[in-house]
Amino acid sequence: KAGVTQTPRYLIKTRGQQVTLSCSPISGHRSVSWYQQTPGQGLQFLFEYFSETQRNKGNFPGRFSGRQFSNSRSEMNVSTLELGDSALYLCASSDTGLLQYFGPGTRLTVT
Amino acid sequence: AQRVTQPEKLLSVFKGAPVELKCNYSYSGSPELFWYVQYSRQRLQLLLRHISRESIKGFTADLNKGETSFHLKKPFAQEEDSAMYYCALRKGGSEKLVFGKGTKLTVNP
Repeated sequence: KAGVTQTPRYLIKTRGQQVTLSCSPISGHRSVSWYQQTPGQGLQFLFEYFSETQRNKGNFPGRFSGRQFSNSRSEMNVSTLELGDSALYLCASSDTGLLQYFGPGTRLTVT
Repeated sequence: AQRVTQPEKLLSVFKGAPVELKCNYSYSGSPELFWYVQYSRQRLQLLLRHISRESIKGFTADLNKGETSFHLKKPFAQEEDSAMYYCALRKGGSEKLVFGKGTKLTVNP
């Protein structure tokens, strides 16, 4: 099976703009989770989707949102970008209760 | 609240030496514990989970509920073990992983 894919792999945005990141899970996986990875804070959970429903949300401001489509693909959106949003955004997919497989990440740089 | 602590940010050993990466957790229930590894320029991948009690690439980890620890051990480190190692906790009924800050392991020749 193909692994988790994320697009785009790299992104440069300006403060105040918004951005949408995409994640395609492994075929058959219905759960998608998003994480933010930064040198200072490490890996932090953003949210988890299962069958188009958000099941869990981390401690991030409302500027961070996400959704999942019927084919399990997921997107996350960050509005009004701040410099501190610069990070590697990781997506992970799993077949509920089983192992999570991570994508390569999207490197977001906010200038 | 769930918390995972990896006390060492950096760990450096020589090839052939034993290595232990420490992980302590706080969680009131029965968590699932994992070790993830991230090699240079590669994606995060699962190394071990406590439920399977298996040895992967020579690494083992034992869950000690009394000490709330899940230390990762390898008797003879190899240069290819150099990577970032993350300990993670997952509570039942959720896919959410709580990660430690990670330990960068360097194995010197």
